[in-house]
Amino acid sequence: QKEVEQNSGPLSVPEGAIASLNCTYSDRVSQSFFWYRQYSGKSPELIMSIYSNGDKEDGRFTAQLNKASQYVSLLIRDSQPSDSATYLCAVRPFYNQGGKLIFGQGTELSVKP
Amino acid sequence: DGGITQSPKYLFRKEGQNVTLSCEQNLNHDAMYWYRQDPGQGLRLIYYSQIVNDFQKGDIAEGYSVSREKKESFPLTVTSAQKNPTAFYLCASRWGEGDTEAFFGQGTRLTVV
Repeated sequence: QKEVEQNSGPLSVPEGAIASLNCTYSDRVSQSFFWYRQYSGKSPELIMSIYSNGDKEDGRFTAQLNKASQYVSLLIRDSQPSDSATYLCAVRPFYNQGGKLIFGQGTELSVKP
Repeated sequence: DGGITQSPKYLFRKEGQNVTLSCEQNLNHDAMYWYRQDPGQGLRLIYYSQIVNDFQKGDIAEGYSVSREKKESFPLTVTSAQKNPTAFYLCASRWGEGDTEAFFGQGTRLTVV
């Protein structure tokens, strides 16, 4: 079992819809969780970080964390074509080996006008 | 402007050659990381460093070497022992204290010719 798993997609949604991106992780004691957006040929950019159970909202983005289910998600409301990118889920283990992040393989999102 | 600068953006290597990828940051971050990304995959950790003159191997360190002589700089050498070096290489940094986010440079795309 991979440590961090995401559906590779592509996930296709119409413009204005809600895009839902999901991520599961295997280490039950993982402590912090991050969503990065990566445009083709570019480096990842941080969208959201979440550390405790529940929802965290920032503009059109909402991160949701459920540690009991070992599940973290990212919702994008009012999706725009400019949101088309690969979204990477990253997890920082509790044992904190230098603060390293473990990444999923990414979900490709396509927002159709 | 504060940030993480990787150079060069594109690099071509002949088989059997060593090449060095540069990573410089002026964010006063303590920790620095090197990741490798292959097409359609997430990021895998090569090496990381939490303080000057100290670094640790990540998950795929074989065929790579690093140094951390200055806080601002964390160069990565891809040696001839790395049999499949063609990939997108990403450098990241973060504050060493607390559970902080990591930020990425713009990446170096290495191709073996």
